[in-house]
Parts: sequence; C-alpha cells; structure tokens
Amino acid sequence: AQSVAQPEDQVNVAEGNPLTVKCTYSVSGNPYLFWYVQYPNRGLQFLLKYITGDNLVKGSYGFEAEFNKSQTSFHLKKPSALVSDSALYFCAGLFMTTDSWGKLQFGAGTQVVVTP
Amino acid sequence: DSGVTQTPKHLITATGQRVTLRCSPRSGDLSVYWYQQSLDQGLQFLIQYYNGEERAKGNILERFSAQQFPDLHSELNLSSLELGDSALYFCASSLRTGALNTGELFFGEGSRLTVL
Repeated sequence: AQSVAQPEDQVNVAEGNPLTVKCTYSVSGNPYLFWYVQYPNRGLQFLLKYITGDNLVKGSYGFEAEFNKSQTSFHLKKPSALVSDSALYFCAGLFMTTDSWGKLQFGAGTQVVVTP
Repeated sequence: DSGVTQTPKHLITATGQRVTLRCSPRSGDLSVYWYQQSLDQGLQFLIQYYNGEERAKGNILERFSAQQFPDLHSELNLSSLELGDSALYFCASSLRTGALNTGELFFGEGSRLTVL
C-alpha cells in the first residue's frame, strides 16, 4: 500500500542546533512528497514539495528537505532551529488513484519542540 | 491567512444530532478537500471535490456527506453523531486536481466539533 511514515512522535532540539524530522515513503512509481507545518490552533501550512529534479528541495522559513530514493526517505531539515519552529510537522505523499485524480495522504505528524 | 474560510470555528452538540460545516475556498480555487484530525486517528482524508464534482473519496463514513456548490463553497454534513466524531475538521483548497495536482493545499483554520 502507498503510504508515508513519520517514525518519531516528537523531536526535541535546542535553539541554534540542527533540526531533522524524518519521513519515509512507500509508493509505486514516482513519488510526489510534501512537508506541511501546523502551529497551535491553526490550519496546516505548505512548506515545500518534491516532484522531480534536484534531490535537495528548499522551502519556506529556511527549511529544506532531501529526497533519497535508495532509502525511500524525505527528511525535513533546518540548519539552525528557532523556538518559533516549535510546531507539528506533517509529511505527505500524493498517491495516484486509478482515475489519476490522486489523493494527498499525511503521515501521523511529528511534534517539534525547540528549547531556548 | 490562507484565504480559506471555515465556519463555525467551534461547535458543541449532542450524540445523535446532525451538523453542517461550511467552507469557502480561496478565490479561484476549484478543488476542495475535507480532512478530519483527531488524536487517535491523526489527519484523515475524507473527500475531495473539483468544480462541483466528487473526485476522490477517503475514509468517510456513510453518516457523513459533502457537496460543492456552483459558487464553489462546500459543506460537510455529519449526521447521527457519535462521541468518536469529536475532532477538528479541516477544509483545504487548491487550484486544480488530478494528475497535474501539485499537492499544494491551502488549509482553513478548522472547525472543532465536540460531541457530548
């Protein structure tokens, strides 16, 4: 079955340290992968996407993600975390249905806590 | 502000009742998606509409129904409510759908439903 997985429920990091949020995928064909962020009491916001091309994708707020086909991973990274990066992060995959309309399915989410 | 408007923001009702959640997509967006977010199930895709037609269906219960109107706003109807239906219901919109879907969705701030 096509899916994305986020193996960590929570990631704790000190402000100024590198931040990595993990995501793995299982999909037939070419994967379309995304990262979204949800701040408390808000809707999800799009961060970045991988469709094709360069394996390193740059997004909003200084985030980037690396697509690794051999490891079927799409980890989100930020070189220097800020306290304001504390939020819930979702990895998502666009999986094509038989009629090619596609569904965007989200992982379980990873809570990021950045301490001062 | 994503440009997606959801009403009501909060709703408290009793088991067995019926409620309607409303969503106005971003100006110009033709696709509307509904997601349910709960602590135990995470973010679950319910249903997707494109220009008034249903295009993809996820884990939507038979007690739930949705539609997209000619002015492109959408409504999610939840009936015979159960305690387990308590959740945050998100609407999202995008310009298009199908095989060319970029997966970049714009989310509203959600409608929090509490069933007592």
